[in-house]
Amino acid sequence: EADIYQTPRYLVIGTGKKITLECSQTMGHDKMYWYQQDPGMELHLIHYSYGVNSTEKGDLSSESTVSRIRTEHFPLTLESARPSHTSQYLCASGGLADTQYFGPGTRLTVL
Amino acid sequence: QKEVEQNSGPLSVPEGAIASLNCTYSDRGSQSFFWYRQYSGKSPELIMSIYSNGDKEDGRFTAQLNKASQYVSLLIRDSQPSDSATYLCAVNEYSSASKIIFGSGTRLSIRP
Repeated sequence: EADIYQTPRYLVIGTGKKITLECSQTMGHDKMYWYQQDPGMELHLIHYSYGVNSTEKGDLSSESTVSRIRTEHFPLTLESARPSHTSQYLCASGGLADTQYFGPGTRLTVL
Repeated sequence: QKEVEQNSGPLSVPEGAIASLNCTYSDRGSQSFFWYRQYSGKSPELIMSIYSNGDKEDGRFTAQLNKASQYVSLLIRDSQPSDSATYLCAVNEYSSASKIIFGSGTRLSIRP
């Protein structure tokens, strides 16, 4: 079954730690996206990719970085986590005609 | 700045009634329009897409698009308590391939 996966689902970590949020999809989509969403608030696009070796910054400035070495994998890295990075991070992959399908999300808390 | 506007709600509708959710957008070049449902603490789930003027029906859901008025709506017939969620309107950004702009969402509450 084609799907999109995110790990970990929940992460509590101390300030200054390096973290990588994983996102994988089995749908064969070229386009992938990272969004940030605080509880009850809007979705903000922070990174996207049109395919392997393609990455772009989104509309919301973010201290995170991404890579796209394989079609199915789009990890997001924070080199030094801070409390202001506490949020929910949602990964999506893009199908035909601009449709986007979301993973279950990673809820990050930085102490 | 491209925008997608929704009434934040909450919109309260009695069980069994029709819920009507509205959205306006600013990018005249947009061609793809979506409605997502998001339960509290969960990720958005695509429920409808529409690409041409008029109505598109899928079960209890009907999406309506009027490009001239830059208006898209979602009707939910026979509303159920399980329909209580935040509904996000999303529109493609014409000038940037494959990016979509999300509205801030309308909270819908179905009361028994």
